[in-house]
Amino acid sequence: EAQVTQNPRYLITVTGKKLTVTCSQNMNHEYMSWYRQDPGLGLRQIYYSMNVEVTDKGDVPEGYKVSRKEKRNFPLILESPSPNQTSLYFCASSFGTGEGNEKLFFGSGTQLSVL
Amino acid sequence: QQQVKQSPQSLIVQKGGISIINCAYENTAFDYFPWYQQFPGKGPALLIAIRPDVSEKKEGRFTISFNKSAKQFSLHIMDSQPGDSATYFCAASMNTGFQKLVFGTGTRLLVSP
Repeated sequence: EAQVTQNPRYLITVTGKKLTVTCSQNMNHEYMSWYRQDPGLGLRQIYYSMNVEVTDKGDVPEGYKVSRKEKRNFPLILESPSPNQTSLYFCASSFGTGEGNEKLFFGSGTQLSVL
Repeated sequence: QQQVKQSPQSLIVQKGGISIINCAYENTAFDYFPWYQQFPGKGPALLIAIRPDVSEKKEGRFTISFNKSAKQFSLHIMDSQPGDSATYFCAASMNTGFQKLVFGTGTRLLVSP
C-alpha cells in the first residue's frame, strides 16, 4: 500500500530533550516536506526537500532540523524542544515537478506535547 | 509573506444543502489551487484542484469556482452529506515553486443529519 508513515503518533516530552520524528514514504517520491498544524493557523511548512541531500527552509523553520540521506526517509529533529513547539506535525511527499505531480500525500500525523 | 485567506472558520449545513467555503489570495503568480480534506485523526488528502486557465472544475458533488480578476476561489459541496463533515483547507502555489504550497487556515464543516 502506498503510504507515508510517521512515528511516533503521540509524543510527550520535556523542554530541552532532543527528539526525532521519523517519516518514510514507499512511493519513490522526489519531494518531501514537514508541516505543523495549529488551531487557527492552518498548515505551515517547516522544511522541505527536493531530493536526497537537498533541503530548504519553509515558513517556520526555527528550532527544527531535517536531513535527507535516503530518498524514502525525511526525519524531523528538534534539538532542544520548547513548549511553543507543541503542535500536530505532518510529513508529506509528492512526485514533484510537472503538472499532475503536485499532489501531496500526507502521513497520519504526530501529536507532540512539550512540557 | 504570501497568504491565502480562508473563510468561514466553521460552517454548519443541513444534510442536502450546499456548503460554500471561500479563499482569497494576493500573489498573482499563484497558478495552482488545490483543496485538501482532513478527517479527525487523519492527514489531509487532496480533494480537487484547479489552474487559472479555467473558471470552474467539477468532480462529483465538489466544484471549485475560480475568479482570477478578484483573486478568489471557492469550494462548493452540493447535496452535502454527514460524511462530508471534515476540515477543509484551500492552498495555492506557483508552478515553478510548487514546493512552497501555502495553506489557508481551514474551515471546519459539520453537516447535520
